[in-house]
Amino acid sequence: RKEVEQDPGPFNVPEGATVAFNCTYSNSASQSFFWYRQDCRKEPKLLMSVYSSGNEDGRFTAQLNRASQYISLLIRDSKLSDSATYLCVVNEDNYGQNFVFGPGTRLSVLP
Amino acid sequence: NAGVTQTPKFRILKIGQSMTLQCTQDMNHNYMYWYRQDPGMGLKLIYYSVGAGITDKGEVPNGYNVSRSTTEDFPLRLELAAPSQTSVYFCASNVILTGEGNQPQHFGDGTRLSIL
Repeated sequence: RKEVEQDPGPFNVPEGATVAFNCTYSNSASQSFFWYRQDCRKEPKLLMSVYSSGNEDGRFTAQLNRASQYISLLIRDSKLSDSATYLCVVNEDNYGQNFVFGPGTRLSVLP
Repeated sequence: NAGVTQTPKFRILKIGQSMTLQCTQDMNHNYMYWYRQDPGMGLKLIYYSVGAGITDKGEVPNGYNVSRSTTEDFPLRLELAAPSQTSVYFCASNVILTGEGNQPQHFGDGTRLSIL
């Protein structure tokens, strides 16, 4: 069965904190990986793709460990505007239909 | 570019009524998708399409139908609305090129549907 699991959350952190989310996937043949953020009652929006060598975009760093089948997202210097639900998304092949969404991890950054 | 546009944004239906959720994209994406998201849950794929004239079932297709007569439009139809179909519906699109890694999906801003 296809599964993507995430830290259950919620994470409540003060402004300026560093926070890390983990995501595991069950299909070792998975090809592409993404982190999306979803604000309350809004659509998911792409935060970043995750590359095999790891990648960084400003305060956000994503890592992929294929051997252990997990993906991580690190947020440094948290801002109030980072409060959202973070979705881990795994695509299991090079075709479109097999995008599997994790349930999300909710982050609240507190003043 | 408007991206992915969904209409309506909100709708209340009575049990047994039918309706069509509209989705259109102006990015010339070949793939389009319909998802539903129940409160506190992840997105579940209802139907998807790999191009005009081609559609296929996702994880939760029962009670829904789709068509893809053009590249731009991918409407979702509910024939006999049931309370279990109360959810938020998202349409998404992306481009899939043979032999290349998948590009991320772009989402519309959703349709909130209540069946009473």
